[in-house]
Amino acid sequence: AQTVTQSQPEMSVQEAETVTLSCTYDTSENNYYLFWYKQPPSRQMILVIRQEAYKQQNATENRFSVNFQKAAKSFSLKISDSQLGDTAMYFCAFMTDNAGNMLTFGGGTRLMVKP
Amino acid sequence: NAGVTQTPKFQVLKTGQSMTLQCAQDMNHNSMYWYRQDPGMGLRLIYYSASEGTTDKGEVPNGYNVSRLNKREFSLRLESAAPSQTSVYFCASSVWAGRTTDTQYFGPGTRLTVL
Repeated sequence: AQTVTQSQPEMSVQEAETVTLSCTYDTSENNYYLFWYKQPPSRQMILVIRQEAYKQQNATENRFSVNFQKAAKSFSLKISDSQLGDTAMYFCAFMTDNAGNMLTFGGGTRLMVKP
Repeated sequence: NAGVTQTPKFQVLKTGQSMTLQCAQDMNHNSMYWYRQDPGMGLRLIYYSASEGTTDKGEVPNGYNVSRLNKREFSLRLESAAPSQTSVYFCASSVWAGRTTDTQYFGPGTRLTVL
């Protein structure tokens, strides 16, 4: 079974600064996909970024980038130039080819961006 | 283009009552999903429908039934609600379950309380 662990229940960052959210996972599969979802107070789940395990290059989406370390089974999210609108719960999620498209989520990290 | 819509947004039930949560998507997606999110936790898959006419169990299917009414609509039914089913329920859709690079798009959620 796959597991996803987010070891930081809560984090805070000053506006315009950079913050990194941690995620580790456990799997015996070789081909899989990793995601970061954002859940603001509105409860909507919004895809932030995704990474295919077979790609060595780290994914980047504007101010969001990941540090994917396959050997260490680590998938951290870096948010640059933090904005007040980044305040939300952030969930790391995992999917394999053999799991019927089921996403396995971590427990989440609550991020507060302070003015 | 509304994306994924869910009704109702909030619901309170008494133990033993039944209800159906409705979900619809207008993105012409083939696959649809039902998740639950308990306090302080990530989402867990209840059931999914890879395509119209098919449904499969996810991680936590007990106590639930689903119906893929047509390509657009996927409902979740609680036949005899229990307090353990108090949760926030999310519906999601993706282009096709067989393509694991597909992104899942989520609805706004339904907050259900069972007394």
